[in-house]
Amino acid sequence: GAGVSQSPSNKVTEKGKDVELRCDPISGHTALYWYRQRLGQGLEFLIYFQGNSAPDKSGLPSDRFSAERTGESVSTLTIQRTQQEDSAVYLCASSLEFGRVAKEDGYTFGSGTRLTVV
Amino acid sequence: AQTVTQSQPEMSVQEAETVTLSCTYDTSESDYYLFWYKQPPSRQMILVIRQEAYKQQNATENRFSVNFQKAAKSFSLKISDSQLGDAAMYFCAYRSARTGGFKTIFGAGTRLFVKA
Repeated sequence: GAGVSQSPSNKVTEKGKDVELRCDPISGHTALYWYRQRLGQGLEFLIYFQGNSAPDKSGLPSDRFSAERTGESVSTLTIQRTQQEDSAVYLCASSLEFGRVAKEDGYTFGSGTRLTVV
Repeated sequence: AQTVTQSQPEMSVQEAETVTLSCTYDTSESDYYLFWYKQPPSRQMILVIRQEAYKQQNATENRFSVNFQKAAKSFSLKISDSQLGDAAMYFCAYRSARTGGFKTIFGAGTRLFVKA
């Protein structure tokens, strides 16, 4: 597509429920990234995909968090048994990468999903 | 591990004036990229300007320019002729150029207010 699309835009869930957040990257972008942004704070890296493999998932805060990606397309971030501290904006970004060295281009971000756990 | 520090949580500038946002970073690498992103209330992060570490010349994009001091590990953003639409959160970011180093590290951000 023309840009990175994330859905839903906003999600309110009850504590203990599972949620799925979706990211549809720019067509042809091989790399996909998930970040978390708590209110008034910077971006916290969660996980990175190259194609459908995740070479770096070092930022996932607990085993309640998981993510998958289908080919070089849609990615889903799943949070199980949500807690109030999971409330944040979850941002997805994609970029076009060749080989194993990052290009000088920055990321293209989606508008994020605002997750509120009540 | 690399870190990015933005020491100014908030800045304010009068419309049409110039403002400089500070950023320092820590790394042992010699080849990397630096970025400034803008995040307006819409939440979507927008790339403002980028700098490649091996280029000595400071990057410029219209009213936006950087002062890149590699030895000091400093990367400040200057916004000239500030406009109301420049009001946003600004994030400084670092990305390694080494093999496999795709992750971008962001600073905590600086909120810029523009006064009419």
